[in-house]
Amino acid sequence: DIQMTQSPSSLTASVGDRVTITCRASQSISRNLNWYQQKAGKAPKLLIYDASSLQSGVPSRFSGSGSGTDFTLTISSLQPADFATYFCQESYSPPWTFGQGTKVEIK
Amino acid sequence: QVQLQESGPGLVKPSQTLSLTCTVSGGSVSSGGHYWSWIRQHPGKGLEWIGYIYYSGSTYYNPSLKSRVTISIDTSKNQFSLKLSSVTAADTAVYYCARVVVGTTSFDYWGQGTLVTVSS
Repeated sequence: DIQMTQSPSSLTASVGDRVTITCRASQSISRNLNWYQQKAGKAPKLLIYDASSLQSGVPSRFSGSGSGTDFTLTISSLQPADFATYFCQESYSPPWTFGQGTKVEIK
Repeated sequence: QVQLQESGPGLVKPSQTLSLTCTVSGGSVSSGGHYWSWIRQHPGKGLEWIGYIYYSGSTYYNPSLKSRVTISIDTSKNQFSLKLSSVTAADTAVYYCARVVVGTTSFDYWGQGTLVTVSS
């Protein structure tokens, strides 16, 4: 199985901050990487697919980049609605695996 | 708007079989561009992909659960189902059903999730 490692595990930020979350794969996965946002008690929501494509309806302050083993999710200006946990997911080969999550908390 | 809804018992006894159904509305499980999948999340933990089924009936299971998992589909009811046998307390989790886009293998629509507790 491909192991996905996110960093940091949690971070504290203020509204308006630029936030970056990193995801590293245990082997090259090309650009087969998706990002999700999960709020407490809710199902995950797809934000980014294929490393950098914005899912329909997702605000443009979210962006993704990377290829191979190293990927980044960036929130350009953090909004109150963005405080949540973020997961990456490799879509290179099944069994598809997720990172352990990054919790974004309010400073 | 596609919607998915899980249903099934919230409490299962150890060694028994967990059974859940996902009902899809606003879309068809017979659409060729999607897989239909189950994912679980242990309390306070990350996400674990369980497996998927295609409208044709072909399946792929996570090897870690393969010996205990069966996913089936009922196109006439627009539903797909999960059975997990010989459950233990380690199978206590929130279970989600989700739609998977075949081209990107991204989970674009999810059910709200249902907590299944394994306890006597």
